[in-house]
Amino acid sequence: KNEVEQSPQNLTAQEGEFITINCSYSVGISALHWLQQHPGGGIVSLFMLSSGKKKHGRLIATINIQEKHSSLHITASHPRDSAVYICAVSDPSGSARQLTFGSGTQLTVLP
Amino acid sequence: DVKVTQSSRYLVKRTGEKVFLECVQDMDHENMFWYRQDPGLGLRLIYFSYDVKMKEKGDIPEGYSVSREKKERFSLILESASTNQTSMYLCASSFTPGGVLEQYFGPGTRLTVT
Repeated sequence: KNEVEQSPQNLTAQEGEFITINCSYSVGISALHWLQQHPGGGIVSLFMLSSGKKKHGRLIATINIQEKHSSLHITASHPRDSAVYICAVSDPSGSARQLTFGSGTQLTVLP
Repeated sequence: DVKVTQSSRYLVKRTGEKVFLECVQDMDHENMFWYRQDPGLGLRLIYFSYDVKMKEKGDIPEGYSVSREKKERFSLILESASTNQTSMYLCASSFTPGGVLEQYFGPGTRLTVT
């Protein structure tokens, strides 16, 4: 089973700062997902990527398949970015029906 | 857009009660999941189902059962609720376009067992 580790567990930043959240995993994957969970519980998918880099607004996700590592960057952070960010991977073997999740990074952006 | 709904956002039950959590998805997805989420432990899979009447245990099935009588509905049952089942419960459904899994989550049910 894949082991997914995220760092840091908690992150506090000032508005406008550049933020990086890291994710590493132990075995090969078919895709890596970055998810966002706001207070109240709902989880939304931000990115799904299997190589390279994706950008959506102020969010950028990168993945290095050889190093089994991904980063989520937030440029010009804003208090509304405060949320839990979760990394998850889908296994290329077997049914690929499940995701394996990291424990999440709690981000707080102060005004 | 895919919509996954859960029957309650907040629920308070007493120890020993039987608890039903229901999840409905509107996109004809084959796969449905129940997770619980606890601080520091992340999302842990309780059960999943890949077809009607089919179910498989996840990482922490003890104390839970599930039911999938219709494709769109997946129920989580706590036969006799205990205080250590106080948690956030998240339902999800998924499909695999081109072989890569896309998963969609419900809003969650925060269950408190007193």
